[in-house]
Amino acid sequence: GAVVSQHPSWVICKSGTSVKIECRSLDFQATTMFWYRQFPKQSLMLMATSNEGSKATYEQGVEKDKFLINHASLTLSTLTVTSAHPEDSSFYICSARDNMKSYEQYFGPGTRLTVT
Amino acid sequence: QKEVEQDPGPLSVPEGAIVSLNCTYSNSAFQYFMWYRQYSRKGPELLMYTYSSGNKEDGRFTAQVDKSSKYISLFIRDSQPSDSATYLCAMITGNQFYFGTGTSLTVIP
Repeated sequence: GAVVSQHPSWVICKSGTSVKIECRSLDFQATTMFWYRQFPKQSLMLMATSNEGSKATYEQGVEKDKFLINHASLTLSTLTVTSAHPEDSSFYICSARDNMKSYEQYFGPGTRLTVT
Repeated sequence: QKEVEQDPGPLSVPEGAIVSLNCTYSNSAFQYFMWYRQYSRKGPELLMYTYSSGNKEDGRFTAQVDKSSKYISLFIRDSQPSDSATYLCAMITGNQFYFGTGTSLTVIP
């Protein structure tokens, strides 16, 4: 089956630093990847849609200068949390849509970010 | 009104019970309907998908779609403790995915 990996799985950083999270589709190509944020016991909140070779589309209320997204290839998208603050601590999950099956979206295992 | 409504639960059942999870939706343009399972501190995994009204079965899981009522269900037969997770419904129209809030299920041994 389709596999999406995320790295790192968890990270602790100090307030004011930047953190980069990678999302890779391992056995399929993904023109479109999605970045979600999830708070404990809450559902997924879509942050942005990442399109290979073009700018990401951010959801309302998501700061594009704070959450930088780069989709450099058909198998890799990165999310950089810039100048992180404790309120950015959360579970970040990416997903990728298989180019050959537009109705399926595969999720990565998530990255737990803790900002101290 | 949200595009997709899902009762968050929590739902607690004894092992072996039949579980029924449901979502309602308002947009008749939804084309594909999916169920994801998410274990704690993990990403969601796709369980089943369907694109038409009717039932689709996969092992102990049955997905049911009723487009006339805008209602989808996931049934789990002979539930196991390993089924304890959050179940999210999702729907697609065009390129847009819409997720339910998820239902937390606990199967008690």
